[in-house]
Amino acid sequence: GQQLNQSPQSMFIQEGEDVSMNCTSSSIFNTWLWYKQDPGEGPVLLIALYKAGELTSNGRLTAQFGITRKDSFLNISASIPSDVGIYFCAGQRNTGTASKLTFGTGTRLQVTL
Amino acid sequence: NAGVTQTPKFQVLKTGQSMTLQCAQDMNHEYMSWYRQDPGMGLRLIHYSVGAGITDQGEVPNGYNVSRSTTEDFPLRLLSAAPSQTSVYFCASSSPGAGGRIQFFGPGTRLTVL
Repeated sequence: GQQLNQSPQSMFIQEGEDVSMNCTSSSIFNTWLWYKQDPGEGPVLLIALYKAGELTSNGRLTAQFGITRKDSFLNISASIPSDVGIYFCAGQRNTGTASKLTFGTGTRLQVTL
Repeated sequence: NAGVTQTPKFQVLKTGQSMTLQCAQDMNHEYMSWYRQDPGMGLRLIHYSVGAGITDQGEVPNGYNVSRSTTEDFPLRLLSAAPSQTSVYFCASSSPGAGGRIQFFGPGTRLTVL
């Protein structure tokens, strides 16, 4: 089955630095979602994108829905220790099948003081 | 609201044993799904349901059965566990509509099959 190509696989950054990660697909999605997963927990939604070209912010997080509908990126500004975790992108093709998401392989973020 | 709850949190099985992973949600969501998460991979869809009495296969359905007799519950059954089913299992729910394309995930069940 398809999984989205997400990069980088892991990042080690210093507190205060900005972070950028992206997700690409060979096929089109109607919705892009970004989740964060803390150890031992389920994924928690960060940002949802519904339109090609859309740029959405949630605090220090900014995500964009690529105009080709085949990619998305997530930026985190001024990282802090609690940003540590695994970030997943997820794409959805059909709003009528809200249960079916295709996930990226994840970006593991480590923040050092 | 408790959101999406899953039990048990941890489980160890021997090959060939059967068990049911429980999932419940109190948000009156129509859609519910089961995913498995393996190291280095994202979540992969096992089965999903768009409403009570309706289920369908996802990406990796083999070895798993589901049923949806009520809106609230969506159990996942392993009829004869295999080591390849060692994984972390997540249940999710969502409601249709523009604001409901978002899936809410439970805390997961960590399953080890020996």
